[in-house]
Amino acid sequence: KNEVEQSPQNLTAQEGEFITINCSYSVGISALHWLQQHPGGGIVSLFMLSSGKKKHGRLIATINIQEKHSSLHITASHPRDSAVYICAVHTGNQFYFGTGTSLTVIP
Amino acid sequence: DTGVSQDPRHKITKRGQNVTFRCDPISEHNRLYWYRQTLGQGPEFLTYFQNEAQLEKSRLLSDRFSAERPKGSFSTLEIQRTEQGDSAMYLCASSLINEQFFGPGTRLTVL
Repeated sequence: KNEVEQSPQNLTAQEGEFITINCSYSVGISALHWLQQHPGGGIVSLFMLSSGKKKHGRLIATINIQEKHSSLHITASHPRDSAVYICAVHTGNQFYFGTGTSLTVIP
Repeated sequence: DTGVSQDPRHKITKRGQNVTFRCDPISEHNRLYWYRQTLGQGPEFLTYFQNEAQLEKSRLLSDRFSAERPKGSFSTLEIQRTEQGDSAMYLCASSLINEQFFGPGTRLTVL
């Protein structure tokens, strides 16, 4: 059983579409992270959340602590958004990662 | 450029050999993490340091794996008697509080 589950595993969208990626977790957390990983392996931290909602450009992340659920939204998607998006939770000393959502945005 | 560097970026070795990887975190970060990532999977936690103290080590980690952070700055991860199943990307990340900054990773291939 994975501590962090993401859906969908793969997502293909047309440029301009609104995209939602979901993350559910089963452990108590101090923070939840959304990460972006491009081909070649580099990982970039997009958001760190412990409550509520954060927005950065076209990206919006929300978290519901009671439901143990978070969503990452991308508005007006663009081909350069194509990447793997990973949800990770911090439980004190350990991090648990989802397997990622592979997003492809087609022009 | 996240500021976390890893060396080497790629390593090819024969089964049974020992390998050592290095991670240099962002200088003021006191926390350092090692992860392993195989193709199509999310990163898997290996171990965590706060300053020079190794505070957490995954139960899944074989005794062939050892990590050090002798002066609370850079860290090394050693794999002894490598096996083909050790082939993966080994990622290092550092943080001050919760937000992690990842290095580019070391890709290990065991032949």
